[in-house]
Amino acid sequence: GQNIDQPTEMTATEGAIVQINCTYQTSGFNGLFWYQQHAGEAPTFLSYNVLDGLEEKGRFSSFLSRSKGYSYLLLKELQMKDSASYLCAVRGYGGATNKLIFGTGTLLAVQP
Amino acid sequence: NAGVTQTPKFQVLKTGQSMTLQCAQDMNHEYMSWYRQDPGMGLRLIHYSVGAGITDQGEVPNGYNVSRSTTEDFPLRLLSAAPSQTSVYFCASSYGQSYNEQFFGPGTRLTVL
Repeated sequence: GQNIDQPTEMTATEGAIVQINCTYQTSGFNGLFWYQQHAGEAPTFLSYNVLDGLEEKGRFSSFLSRSKGYSYLLLKELQMKDSASYLCAVRGYGGATNKLIFGTGTLLAVQP
Repeated sequence: NAGVTQTPKFQVLKTGQSMTLQCAQDMNHEYMSWYRQDPGMGLRLIHYSVGAGITDQGEVPNGYNVSRSTTEDFPLRLLSAAPSQTSVYFCASSYGQSYNEQFFGPGTRLTVL
């Protein structure tokens, strides 16, 4: 079976750092993705990890440990506009390799 | 480029009615897919296409049909709408099967009464 877990909600303060965790159990693994989704809008791509380690992109970083089935998204210097849902998704093997399985998302509220 | 476009933005149907949700992209992407998003469920894959003339089922295909006659268009047909199909529908595309970034359309919010 396939299962992706992430916290439902988180709250953080403007200017701070927040880490959003994602654990997964899938029948195959060919990459883990993070998407950002503001309320009422479409998801937008943030990051992609296929090898273990940290990928940094500006204020956002994403980490992957394949042996632990674990990833996190790190957001630094939080801004009010970072209030959104953050979706973790895993791509498996077989068939069309771009088939993604999404978690239910973590709703992040950034407070002043 | 307009990117991925979807029409309509909102739709209300009665149980048993049929309709087509339109999706188009102007980026010459091979891979297109349809997702539905429900509260507490995350995005779930309905159908996908790896190129014109080729479609396949995702996680939740029942009650939906798709076709891909051109690279640009990937319509989703609801055959006989049911209240359980009330959801937000997103179309997405990417350059190829293995490309990392999928581009999502703005979504269609569908209510079935």
